[in-house]
Amino acid sequence: QEQLVQSGDEVKKPGASVKVSCKASGYTFTSYDLNWVRQATGQGPEWMGWVSPKSGNTGYAQKFQGRVTMTRDTSVGTVYMELSSLTSEDTAVYYCVRRGERAHDIWGQGTMVIVSS
Amino acid sequence: DIVMTQSPDSLAVSLGERATINCKSSQSILYSLKNKNCLAWFQQKRGQPPKLLINWSSTRESGVPDRFSGSGSGTDFTLTISSLQAEDVAVYYCQQYCRIPYTFGQGTKLEIK
Repeated sequence: QEQLVQSGDEVKKPGASVKVSCKASGYTFTSYDLNWVRQATGQGPEWMGWVSPKSGNTGYAQKFQGRVTMTRDTSVGTVYMELSSLTSEDTAVYYCVRRGERAHDIWGQGTMVIVSS
Repeated sequence: DIVMTQSPDSLAVSLGERATINCKSSQSILYSLKNKNCLAWFQQKRGQPPKLLINWSSTRESGVPDRFSGSGSGTDFTLTISSLQAEDVAVYYCQQYCRIPYTFGQGTKLEIK
């Protein structure tokens, strides 16, 4: 079935970077953009940006410009999200989400990123 | 950015009764090419990712029970659960997907009275 499987939880120190992966399966990888959304505990989801698996084009929310990089590797059907200069405010669950014809229809299981000294 | 505001923040409804959640966008989210509103509703249960229930403001996803319905247009939208079941306890979010950055409401926590 169509699914997105993300890499495992991470613990990072302030100032470090984190790279989360998301492997797509069950559909043609290059057919749909993949987005990244994060959610801090008790908060609503927050959209971070998108990457086109087909072209590699990206678009980021202004809040994350200069600090986030989204890439893809078509040979393994995987997209990546790297966030740098981490602070405690970046502690959240990070989701990759397919932007299909029916809006954001498929979500990964989430990757918890904890930023703590 | 388009701001999505939900009301109420929390709601307690008896089993079998109707639950209504409202969502207001700060500007129109009409996608003119389709003449549809880019409004989605998600259900999130504890420890799980959000699950898409409704897109284009009123189109139910496959497998979603028909007690869930979406309505509205312009800037005002509603999610209705016609007869609340125990498994509907969750946080519900609206989202606009017309304009980047895509934005979500703050969520409505639905509980059993």
